[in-house]
Amino acid sequence: DAGITQSPRHKVTETGTPVTLRCHQTENHRYMYWYRQDPGHGLRLIHYSYGVKDTDKGEVSDGYSVSRSKTEDFLLTLESATSSQTSVYFCAIRSQGTEAFFGQGTRLTVV
Amino acid sequence: AQTVTQSQPEMSVQEAETVTLSCTYDTSESDYYLFWYKQPPSRQMILVIRQEAYKQQNATENRFSVNFQKAAKSFSLKISDSQLGDAAMYFCAYYYTGANSKLTFGKGITLSVRP
Repeated sequence: DAGITQSPRHKVTETGTPVTLRCHQTENHRYMYWYRQDPGHGLRLIHYSYGVKDTDKGEVSDGYSVSRSKTEDFLLTLESATSSQTSVYFCAIRSQGTEAFFGQGTRLTVV
Repeated sequence: AQTVTQSQPEMSVQEAETVTLSCTYDTSESDYYLFWYKQPPSRQMILVIRQEAYKQQNATENRFSVNFQKAAKSFSLKISDSQLGDAAMYFCAYYYTGANSKLTFGKGITLSVRP
């Protein structure tokens, strides 16, 4: 077990409401990533972090923000959820030279 | 920009036969890592095999092996003696060893295994 937990595991929310997903690790990995998985698109990178308060955008960052105030936590926020953000979200962690370890995923439905 | 391409969305193999899943990538870096991940219906992401670019020898893990062609930027996965439990989605992934690097995935391929 790589010591990575995503919460919540499932969420249904209404259009226009803010939503925050949490990724928590106990392994002290430097890198943390947020992906969304949609049929036909694979895993697309939303945002990632390479240290506390160090973050950068991925390929599908519009409508999303992140924060990493502690090594162990990486938060993904949808400021105003839209139906196009209905997806399965994965958090991943890694260190230099290691493979990535994944959370169990969060299924988010925006109605 | 680094990209990973899996051009075949679906493949099928007969149980006990061998199948090869293709992956190509584009990078200007010389030192990087490549991975194959398996995602069964449970959605869990499972590492199948990894390859360091500086190693010329192809990685092998039991029934799984890779054909790593660095000059061609190709990284295919061979599954020997296919089993029903191999049915899943498979993703190819890449990151380079420089600081602050992204971890990039292909779109994945769905493998079905016929009994």
